[in-house]
Amino acid sequence: DIVMTQSPDSLAVSLGERATINCKSSQSVLYSSNNKNYLAWYQQKPGQPPKLLIYWASTRESGVPDRFSGSGSGTDFTLTISSLQAEDVAVYYCQQYYSTRSFGPGTKVDIK
Amino acid sequence: EVQLVESGGGLVQPGGSLRLSCAASGFTFSSYWMSWVRQAPGKGLEWVANVKQDGSEKYYVDSVKGRFTASRDNAKNSLHLQMNSLRAEDTAVYYCARVNIEAAGEDYWGQGTLVTVSS
Repeated sequence: DIVMTQSPDSLAVSLGERATINCKSSQSVLYSSNNKNYLAWYQQKPGQPPKLLIYWASTRESGVPDRFSGSGSGTDFTLTISSLQAEDVAVYYCQQYYSTRSFGPGTKVDIK
Repeated sequence: EVQLVESGGGLVQPGGSLRLSCAASGFTFSSYWMSWVRQAPGKGLEWVANVKQDGSEKYYVDSVKGRFTASRDNAKNSLHLQMNSLRAEDTAVYYCARVNIEAAGEDYWGQGTLVTVSS
């Protein structure tokens, strides 16, 4: 089974500043035959279901603001919010879908 | 508009059974993989199961194998999760979610249904 870890557990960032969340998988989620990383990012606000932000590690879901970006390959990935807005306060999860599915433990983002 | 509406949650005793349902609308249900994901109170997300478009393939997290069975009825645009031998650790909000057309992430989610396993 692929185990996902995230860091930090939580972070507080000033409005307009950059927020960076890291995700690591216990084995590579890069599929060599298509050179795609089977990694997604989700945002979950209190009392709401998760929202898909990014898939294939860096493809932004339709309607997601371009301040959200994903990067990385193999086992190490990053979600970046380039200019934090008040509405971005949430918990963010990474997910691998290379082998069934599993989620990271989540990173809580707050305003400093 | 894509809609996913879960039902069937409630309070059940340890060792009991419950059947969750998810009514789908606004898209061609038979064209998509579907998933069940759960979230224990105050905890993170845990993928539970998913089902291929025609129901021919199903996958489960280890902790529910042999106890939970996912199924779908494409004629009725519905997804189901039969949960047997329930344990306290199965207490969670259960979400039904659509896997996107590229099979890369869950792009639509229901609001969830709460399952509480307690005596």
